[in-house]
Amino acid sequence: EIVLTQSPGTLSLSPGERATLSCRASQTVGKNYLAWYQQKPGQAPRLLIYDASTRATGIPDRFSGSGSETDFTLTISRLEPEDFAVYSCQQYAYSPLTFGQGTRLDIK
Amino acid sequence: EVQLVESGGGLVQPGGSLRLSCAVSGSTFNPRWAQWVRQAPHKGLVWLSLIRSDGADVKYADSVKGRFTISRDNAKNTIDLQMDSLRVEDTAVYYCLVGAGWLPDHWGQGTLVTVST
Repeated sequence: EIVLTQSPGTLSLSPGERATLSCRASQTVGKNYLAWYQQKPGQAPRLLIYDASTRATGIPDRFSGSGSETDFTLTISRLEPEDFAVYSCQQYAYSPLTFGQGTRLDIK
Repeated sequence: EVQLVESGGGLVQPGGSLRLSCAVSGSTFNPRWAQWVRQAPHKGLVWLSLIRSDGADVKYADSVKGRFTISRDNAKNTIDLQMDSLRVEDTAVYYCLVGAGWLPDHWGQGTLVTVST
C-alpha cells in the first residue's frame, strides 16, 4: 500500500500570500496518478488537480500542481479568502487507492 | 451534469448491518467506475472500495474486506455498499464517487453512518 504523507499538517497564511503544500509517497506513484482535493466544512471534496499537474475543469489558474514519482506539490500562487480549507492528496495508480491525511490551510 | 445521491445512512448497533445506496443521474452510467470513500468525524478521507462498469472487477481496502460488499445495478443506475459486522470505528460520512477510470470526477454529498450502542 502506498502511504501518502502530507506536510505541513496546518499552514497559517494571509490572503495574497503563496501557499506550498507537500505530498510525499512511500513508493513511486505510477504514471503520476496523483490528485489534489479541496474540502470545506460540511462539503464533499472538490477535485483541483489530477495527473499531478492538470487542473480540473473550472479550477482557477492560481492553483498548480507539480512533482513526480514520490514528491508532489500543490501551490496556490495568491491566496483568496475562499481558499482556506483542507487539502488532501490521493494516488489512484494502485489498489488500494490511498489519501494523505490532509493539510489544513488557516487564515493567519 | 452528473449527480450522485447517497441514501441509507443512519444509526446502527455494533455488529449490525446497513446497506447504502447511491443513485446516479445526468450521465451515461455504464462506462464508469464507481467507488466508496468515507471520512470519520474530523479525520481524513479513507478509500474503501471500487467496482468496474460491468461489475466484474471489484477491490476493497483491507479494513473492510470480508465485511463490506460493493455492487451496482446498471439498469437502475445505482451503486450499493452492503456493510456487515459494523464496528464503532466505521462511524463516518460515506461518499459515493464515479469516474471514467480510477480517478473520481464526481462525488456525492455523503451519508452519515453512526455505529453506537
